[in-house]
Order: sequence, then structure tokens, then C-alpha cells
Amino acid sequence: GAVVSQHPSRVICKSGTSVKIECRSLDFQATTMFWYRQFPKQSLMLMATSNEGSKATYEQGVEKDKFLINHASLTLSTLTVTSAHPEDSSFYICSARSSTPSFDTQYFGPGTRLTVL
Amino acid sequence: GEDVEQSLFLSVREGDSSVINCTYTDSSSTYLYWYKQEPGAGLQLLTYIFSNMDMKQDQRLTVLLNKKDKHLSLRIADTQTGDSAIYFCAEKDNAGNMLTFGGGTRLMVKP
Repeated sequence: GAVVSQHPSRVICKSGTSVKIECRSLDFQATTMFWYRQFPKQSLMLMATSNEGSKATYEQGVEKDKFLINHASLTLSTLTVTSAHPEDSSFYICSARSSTPSFDTQYFGPGTRLTVL
Repeated sequence: GEDVEQSLFLSVREGDSSVINCTYTDSSSTYLYWYKQEPGAGLQLLTYIFSNMDMKQDQRLTVLLNKKDKHLSLRIADTQTGDSAIYFCAEKDNAGNMLTFGGGTRLMVKP
């Protein structure tokens, strides 16, 4: 199947710093990528939909100035957590949409564990 | 909005069959998916079924879809300890490109 990578896989940072997470579709082009947040023992919460060449669409309750999304190419989307605080500590997962005339799905990255001290 | 529900936990013995159930409310669902998540990892697409299908089998995995009752199930034959993980069902509607996920079912396989 299609491969989506995420970097870094794990990051520990001090409160107040900014952290950038990259999401890449390695063997297909993705006009749409998604960013999710997952709390322990819970399902995925969609944060935003990232569209190549245009502004991201944020879900209700997600601060767009805090979680900056850039989708500069068909294979790369970045999520920057600005001025991170301990409550931003979470598992962040991206996915890339692969859509053909016969099949439509999202392929997920391995996730990034963010710990803010 | 759309709602997808799953039972939280399932425990089986190695070699037995596992059946994970999922219900959804969106009658316009086009695709329904099963994803597997191992600890500390992202989601792996296991299988999917298109809404005009009743059943799909892929090696040890069998997906059954009852569109009338909006019920989806995943059967894992000959369950192995390596199948221990959280399984998420998800649906995609005809209108958008987002997925709606269930809460996940934690499958524990005992040797």
C-alpha cells in the first residue's frame, strides 16, 4: 500500500517553544492531507484538513494560530505547534488522501509523540 | 452529525476467531474501512468495503456489511498474538473527503 512518513517520531521540548512536524506521502501525490490528535486510549480527533496550495480548514475548537499548517507541495504538509504548552502534549498523526476513480482512502503516518515540559 | 460506535474491548484465545462490530448512522456512507493501530504507531489500513457490497474476504479477514441495519463487522480467523491491537472502523460519506472514526476496539489475544 501507499506509504506516509512523519518526522520526527518523537519530540520533547520546553514550554514556549515551537515544534514543526512533517508529513510526507512517499509514493503518491496527495492534494489533501489531514492532521489528527489522539489522546491516550481514545480515538482520533480531526484537527484540520490541509489542501495543497490553499489554506487549511480547521475543525471547530482548534486554534489556527496555534496549529499552523502548510501544504506547500503535493507530497508534504507540515504542522507547527507554536508556543507549545504542556496541554499540547499528545500523539499527532497525519494522513494523506489517495483518491482514484475506483478507490478513495486515507493512508496514515506513524505518528509523532510530542511531550512539552 | 455522523456517528460511528464500537465496543471497547474484546478478548479471545489464540487460534479462535475474533469478531469486531461497528455501527454507524450515516446512510450516505460510500466506503467503510477497518484500520489497525499497534501501540505507539499510526493507523494501518487493513481492509475496506464499498457500500454496495455485502461481504469481502481477504486472507484471514472477512468484512460483513448490513447496510439496512448500518452494521459492519470484521472477522479475523485463526487470531494470533500479533493481532493484538486497537481496531478502528471508519466511514466516508458521499459528500466530503473526511473520515468519521469509531472509538476503537482493543483486541487482546491470549496465548
